[in-house]
Amino acid sequence: GNSVTQMEGPVTLSEEAFLTINCTYTATGYPSLFWYVQYPGEGLQLLLKATKADDKGSNKGFEATYRKETTSFHLEKGSVQVSDSAVYFCARRQGNLIFGKGTKLSVKP
Amino acid sequence: EAGVAQSPRYKIIEKRQSVAFWCNPISGHATLYWYQQILGQGPKLLIQFQNNGVVDDSQLPKDRFSAERLKGVDSTLKIQPAKLEDSAVYLCASSLVAEEAFFGQGTRLTVV
Repeated sequence: GNSVTQMEGPVTLSEEAFLTINCTYTATGYPSLFWYVQYPGEGLQLLLKATKADDKGSNKGFEATYRKETTSFHLEKGSVQVSDSAVYFCARRQGNLIFGKGTKLSVKP
Repeated sequence: EAGVAQSPRYKIIEKRQSVAFWCNPISGHATLYWYQQILGQGPKLLIQFQNNGVVDDSQLPKDRFSAERLKGVDSTLKIQPAKLEDSAVYLCASSLVAEEAFFGQGTRLTVV
């Protein structure tokens, strides 16, 4: 089965709303965790990462905290913008690099 | 710094034909990945190399897909014969060992 599970999309929010995209993973030990983003018509690019428990990755106003006890790495942003509309992928690395199915976010003005 | 280069960008072939994709990773990156991304889904790892050894090819359909990494640098992914369900974007990525992966623009394959 898939080692990374993301909340189903699509997610539609109004500008300045709070965003949470849930991600949980299965792994032995301590994998590295990532969020990647794919803007319309563009390739995958790294948004943020965390490599050990309790680390917080952050970039462009997005944050995610590595929670070993709940095997989670939820993505949050306090105030989304129209330009944040994209597909977001959670990924974990433990030897191999595995991605979740993606969550499409649409932000309306 | 040059990014991950892939070619071709687009390819249309008929079912049962063969096709090959090429990837040139970022210089110095030991790890190279090939993913298949079907429309609306997440990238599925097909094969992961470290230098010219295989780390994981558990989801590579070996009856029709093959991949090699020449001298631990460039890589090619081949499909022979292609099926309709192989229509997807094929992504190549590279990384330093245990670091984040950098992706190329991908090759969009359409099998008709």
